[in-house]
Amino acid sequence: DTAVSQTPKYLVTQMGNDKSIKCEQNLGHDTMYWYKQDSKKFLKIMFSYNNKELIINETVPNRFSPKSPDKAHLNLHINSLELGDSAVYFCASSLIGGATGELFFGEGSRLTVL
Amino acid sequence: EDKVVQSPLSLVVHEGDTVTLNCSYEVTNFRSLLWYKQEKKAPTFLFMLTSSGIEKKSGRLSSILDKKELFSILNITATQTGDSAIYLCAVRGQGAQKLVFGQGTRLTINP
Repeated sequence: DTAVSQTPKYLVTQMGNDKSIKCEQNLGHDTMYWYKQDSKKFLKIMFSYNNKELIINETVPNRFSPKSPDKAHLNLHINSLELGDSAVYFCASSLIGGATGELFFGEGSRLTVL
Repeated sequence: EDKVVQSPLSLVVHEGDTVTLNCSYEVTNFRSLLWYKQEKKAPTFLFMLTSSGIEKKSGRLSSILDKKELFSILNITATQTGDSAIYLCAVRGQGAQKLVFGQGTRLTINP
């Protein structure tokens, strides 16, 4: 069983389109995250939810909107895609707000904007 | 703002060599430092360090933290080609819910 699963794994789309990436974790964790990894492999946090409540919202364009229907799911919707949005997006989860444990990552969703 | 700097950015060695990867950090109210290994896909957890001077060890990998000098090292002895990966260092500070990552060290082990 995959602990943190993301879909789709690959996404190729045109500029201006809207797309979504879904994430689910079956670890019973209470906190989920979206990280963006650029071409230089730099992992940068975008959002974090704890028990469906947004707790971290880094400086991210408001074209990016996360949604957490329950604590096992965190989806990312991106409006009006731009070339600079091309990256690998990683979903992750942790327990007890992440204060004591490591993050478990999904396998990533590679987004290419043409 | 919390910051993590890793060095070197890239390292190429021969199988059997020993390597040391460095991670220095600036963080408000340090809580922990974590090392991850990223091969093709998801970063996988290696170590979490919270106390100075206590070595964490797993097989040929070991890591130690110096909270006074604000750095950590990851050692890999008797390297194998399967150790080729990007090694990521991350710190957790006052905003305990997030990890701040360094830019990673790309390690290549040649046979």
